[in-house]
Amino acid sequence: DVKVTQSSRYLVKRTGEKVFLECVQDMDHENMFWYRQDPGLGLRLIYFSYDVKMKEKGDIPEGYSVSREKKERFSLILESASTNQTSMYLCASSSVRGDQPQHFGDGTRLSIL
Amino acid sequence: QQQVKQSPQSLIVQKGGIPIINCAYENTAFDYFPWYQQFPGKGPALLIAIRPDVSEKKEGRFTISFNKSAKQFSLHIMDSQPGDSATYFCAARISGSARQLTFGSGTQLTVLP
Repeated sequence: DVKVTQSSRYLVKRTGEKVFLECVQDMDHENMFWYRQDPGLGLRLIYFSYDVKMKEKGDIPEGYSVSREKKERFSLILESASTNQTSMYLCASSSVRGDQPQHFGDGTRLSIL
Repeated sequence: QQQVKQSPQSLIVQKGGIPIINCAYENTAFDYFPWYQQFPGKGPALLIAIRPDVSEKKEGRFTISFNKSAKQFSLHIMDSQPGDSATYFCAARISGSARQLTFGSGTQLTVLP
């Protein structure tokens, strides 16, 4: 089974802090994604990466950056956390072959105080 | 701009009922339409998917109906069970893009015993 592991289930940080969310997948997938999930808004794509050191902006990249130094690891960085970034963050990965599904981690609930 | 509109936001049915969740899209470049199921505390997982060259796809108790001319698709759950209680997301992918999914806003389904 594909496993996507997010480093923290719950995280509490303060406004202005630099926050790192880590994600690791074990299936050698080329694509990796970061979403945020908010009630009534569904899943919104922040950034995705289709290869090591490659990244593309999603729908809501403002206030975020990403890093992919190794194929299995994709990090989301909040440069200066703000209260409106309090949310559930989901990481996903997928193969580039055919109609392969995205496999999600169980999420990190981030609270910015 | 929300490209995939999902309704209803929440749905309560009795065990054995047939909940129906609807999605509508505007972009005719979408060519792949998956549904994801999310249980509390877990990430979404692929449930069933359809391409626009077929009008219906069935897997077990789950059926997708697709109306290309109306640009609508829906999920039907036959003989629903309390274990089907979850949040359901429809999604769509643009032709030629192996990466990005646009998600609907989600439907929280409760199946009463």
